[in-house]
Amino acid sequence: GNSVTQMEGPVTLSEEAFLTINCTYTATGYPSLFWYVQYPGEGLQLLLKATKADDKGSNKGFEATYRKETTSFHLEKGSVQVSDSAVYFCALTETPTAAGNKLTFGGGTRVLVKP
Amino acid sequence: DGGITQSPKYLFRKEGQNVTLSCEQNLNHDAMYWYRQDPGQGLRLIYYSQIVNDFQKGDIAEGYSVSREKKESFPLTVTSAQKNPTAFYLCASGRRTGVINEQYFGPGTRLTVT
Repeated sequence: GNSVTQMEGPVTLSEEAFLTINCTYTATGYPSLFWYVQYPGEGLQLLLKATKADDKGSNKGFEATYRKETTSFHLEKGSVQVSDSAVYFCALTETPTAAGNKLTFGGGTRVLVKP
Repeated sequence: DGGITQSPKYLFRKEGQNVTLSCEQNLNHDAMYWYRQDPGQGLRLIYYSQIVNDFQKGDIAEGYSVSREKKESFPLTVTSAQKNPTAFYLCASGRRTGVINEQYFGPGTRLTVT
């Protein structure tokens, strides 16, 4: 079956530091990959996505590149702000199947940015 | 504004009672999903529906039931058979099977059963 593995948190950084959150996946098909962000007490928001190998998703200063050879989709941001404090989830969905676009999530990585 | 609404935000129930969580979307999406999130963990799929009047079990469907009588609505009932119902419940919607697309999430309902 499919699975997503993320680095465990919490990750604590100072403002303007570089952030990397590792994500690797196992999938039987050719998945699309996503990063979602969850702010305290809220639902999930899509941060970025990539649908094929070597695609780079980007949004709000965050980037992630779909690496098929290493089955990875690591999230990066060059200079974090306090407002980036949240839980980040890596997820995948396989190419269309009869089962629909179900998402498989990683366990989430909590990021805390200190002023 | 288009989006997904879940109500209420917080819900408290006594053990042994069934409780229904509301989820409504006006995004005109065919598919809707229910996830459960436990502290420090990822999301697990409870039920999903690709079209009105049809739904399928997810990975942890035991103790839950759903209905999909309208495209806009996908209520989840947490029954007394669910052994550990206290959790954060998230509803999502997305476009139908055959299109790779992201899912859009509601703000969630935190259920506490004592």
